[in-house]
Amino acid sequence: GAVVSQHPSRVICKSGTSVKIECRSLDFQATTMFWYRQFPKQSLMLMATSNEGSKATYEQGVEKDKFLINHASLTLSTLTVTSAHPEDSSFYICSASALAGKSDTQYFGPGTRLTVL
Amino acid sequence: GENVEQHPSTLSVQEGDSAVIKCTYSDSASNYFPWYKQELGKGPQLIIDIRSNVGEKKDQRIAVTLNKTAKHFSLHITETQPEDSAVYFCAATFIHKLSFGAGTTVTVRA
Repeated sequence: GAVVSQHPSRVICKSGTSVKIECRSLDFQATTMFWYRQFPKQSLMLMATSNEGSKATYEQGVEKDKFLINHASLTLSTLTVTSAHPEDSSFYICSASALAGKSDTQYFGPGTRLTVL
Repeated sequence: GENVEQHPSTLSVQEGDSAVIKCTYSDSASNYFPWYKQELGKGPQLIIDIRSNVGEKKDQRIAVTLNKTAKHFSLHITETQPEDSAVYFCAATFIHKLSFGAGTTVTVRA
């Protein structure tokens, strides 16, 4: 149980284009979904927290107009990187917390490798 | 906010030996401490967690201990196997947000 999927697993795009990443909880309903960014050989850095049906809460230093988050249902959240630039190249990982039970337990997706040329 | 420090940054052990990773946290209000294993190119996988009302928890070859007074917690892996080689992250939760340690790269030598 507690499976989280992400799509796509890898994406390469040109500078200036937008990229959408989907995060789905497959076998549970997620009250809250989180988006992280991870640079090579570094830890995970929280970008934003999203609750179904409400606006995402962004961490300090994360541009909300550049990283658009939509949490349309209890099983789906999307992250759109708008006008991507090479410095946005990174490993983006989402996680989800279950609706019932221990809500602070986060289950992570497999990640999306974004490369901006 | 919460600050989590993790040591060592790298750990090499002989197959069959034990591995220990230690973390400290700063916020006494933190009450949930998960450990994640991340293999290259993959997302973190929850391997064990502990809550602040418990001092120790074990799951087969993996155990975690928590000292709330000293604000530190540790991961213990016994009888290590090559498939235990990965990066391990500790984390602490404050207001449902995870703060991660810097990670420990564990290499199990055959």
